[in-house]
Amino acid sequence: DIQMTQSPSTLSASVGDRVTITCRASQTISSWLAWYQQKPGKAPKLLIYDASSLESGVPSRFSGSGSGTEFTLTISSLQPDDVATYYCQEYNNYYSFGQGTKLEIK
Amino acid sequence: EVLLVESGGDLVQPGGSLRLSCAASGFTFNSYKMNWVRQAPGKGLEWVSFISSSGNSKYYADSVRGRFIISRDNAKNSLFLQRNSLRGEDTAVYYCVTEGGSGYYPDWGQGTLVTVSS
Repeated sequence: DIQMTQSPSTLSASVGDRVTITCRASQTISSWLAWYQQKPGKAPKLLIYDASSLESGVPSRFSGSGSGTEFTLTISSLQPDDVATYYCQEYNNYYSFGQGTKLEIK
Repeated sequence: EVLLVESGGDLVQPGGSLRLSCAASGFTFNSYKMNWVRQAPGKGLEWVSFISSSGNSKYYADSVRGRFIISRDNAKNSLFLQRNSLRGEDTAVYYCVTEGGSGYYPDWGQGTLVTVSS
């Protein structure tokens, strides 16, 4: 099975900051990676798929990059509405999620 | 608009069984692969099972293989998860999700909570 490791586990940043979350795969997954945002009590929401494609309706401050084993999710200018837990997911070989990164506002 | 509505969540005793359902609308259900994903209280997301659009291909996570059975009724736009030999670690919110393109999940239901406890 492919293991997905996110870092950091918790992140605190100020409104307007540039925020980066990293996801590493235990073996190469090409670009078969998605990012999700989950707010408390809600279902996850797809943000990015195929490593860098922005899902329709998602603000352009979200972007994804990477291939192979290392990937990043970047929020170019953090907004209060972005407080959530973020998960990466590989779909190269079945499906595995990272453990999540909780994003807070300072 | 895609709508996925799960039902069937309940309190069940260890060793018991439970069938979850997902009613789909707003899209051509029989053209989509579907999955179940679960989330234990305060924990992360875990993929549970996959079914192809026709229902001919099915995959399971190691943690549920042999105990859970995924199925679908394309005539009724419905997805199911039959869960047997339930354990405490099966306690979770279970989400019904569509699969887009190469394997990501564009649409999620609101989830249904299953609690396994005596």
